[in-house]
Amino acid sequence: NAGVTQTPKFQVLKTGQSMTLQCAQDMNHEYMSWYRQDPGMGLRLIHYSVGAGITDQGEVPNGYNVSRSTTEDFPLRLLSAAPSQTSVYFCASRLTGAHEKLFFGSGTQLSVL
Amino acid sequence: QQPVQSPQAVILREGEDAVINCSSSKALYSVHWYRQKHGEAPVFLMILLKGGEQKGHDKISASFNEKKQQSSLYLTASQLSYSGTYFCGTENGGSNYKLTFGKGTLLTVNP
Repeated sequence: NAGVTQTPKFQVLKTGQSMTLQCAQDMNHEYMSWYRQDPGMGLRLIHYSVGAGITDQGEVPNGYNVSRSTTEDFPLRLLSAAPSQTSVYFCASRLTGAHEKLFFGSGTQLSVL
Repeated sequence: QQPVQSPQAVILREGEDAVINCSSSKALYSVHWYRQKHGEAPVFLMILLKGGEQKGHDKISASFNEKKQQSSLYLTASQLSYSGTYFCGTENGGSNYKLTFGKGTLLTVNP
């Protein structure tokens, strides 16, 4: 099993550009989520999904869009990148029962100039 | 709303003990603990469900006080490998299963 796969690992954008961060998992996890990590701020939830066709906002959703057309994939879209979106992004997934841990991808370092 | 972790940072000598606290303003269904090394993804340590249970993982254990909406992580006889940032993640129940993390506690263990 590959687990949670994120691409790309690194990305540099110019202000106003758009891009999609890809996330895929092969563990048949219902729950998938995106976090951003900034120094001193911990892991902040951007968007999450509990199944195909179901998404909801987390703590910091502004400037990001998501969709969940399949169980496996949960892409994160930046429609018009801003310098404030410079961060490390983690995708994570889990089953939805009790005692189910979160599996993290390896992260994407995004810089917006 | 992020749970509150304390302390923000702690420095230990090898063999010393530490306690990291996590508290929430909302009722908790479960508390997760993860450790992150620099430049890596967070790694799972343990989950505690409401009911006041206590769990252990090697010399790392945790407790969960549902009434106080708090959890504590205990690191005993710390090793160099324990260095990293510790995050608690809280789940408030319901059907959304979302996990909200605190800002983390940076633990440094020196020889």
